[in-house]
Amino acid sequence: AQSVTQLDSQVPVFEEAPVELRCNYSSSVSVYLFWYVQYPNQGLQLLLKYLSGSTLVKGINGFEAEFNKSQTSFHLRKPSVHISDTAEYFCAVSQVADYGQNFVFGPGTRLSVLP
Amino acid sequence: DGGITQSPKYLFRKEGQNVTLSCEQNLNHDAMYWYRQDPGQGLRLIYYSQIVNDFQKGDIAEGYSVSREKKESFPLTVTSAQKNPTAFYLCASSKGMRTDTQYFGPGTRLTVL
Repeated sequence: AQSVTQLDSQVPVFEEAPVELRCNYSSSVSVYLFWYVQYPNQGLQLLLKYLSGSTLVKGINGFEAEFNKSQTSFHLRKPSVHISDTAEYFCAVSQVADYGQNFVFGPGTRLSVLP
Repeated sequence: DGGITQSPKYLFRKEGQNVTLSCEQNLNHDAMYWYRQDPGQGLRLIYYSQIVNDFQKGDIAEGYSVSREKKESFPLTVTSAQKNPTAFYLCASSKGMRTDTQYFGPGTRLTVL
């Protein structure tokens, strides 16, 4: 079974500063990778996903993530954050398999953007 | 507009009562999911359904039940057997299972009094 680790439970950052939210996974087979964002008291919304091809994936709201197979990582980055980016961010992994449901979410990282 | 609706937004229950949370989607998605969210624990899968009239247990199915009689609807019943039901419940749907984006509803916050 796969698992997802998000090393930082909380990340405070000043407005217009860069940010990186870390995600590592473990799996014995190939995976698909996702980042979701959750604003307070709302459901989750997809930011970006990696299925295959280029390891650098660009998503909505200026976010991007890079898949690193050797380090089993999929870190999320944004060069300049805005107050409106304050939210909780979840990394998720799905195994390349042909049966069942194997979508696993990480515990989340709460990003707080300070003025 | 297509999307997922969950109702009610807030739900209060007395101990020993069963309650049913509604989830409806008009995205024509085959797969639907129920997750439970607790602070600091991310999302945990309760049940999922790949097609109508079929559903499978997730990681924390004990004390919960579901039905999938229509493609659009996937209600979740929290039974009195669920020891600690106070949580935020999220419903999601996707076209397929592994590569497709999951679309989430706004959630239902259940509180046991």
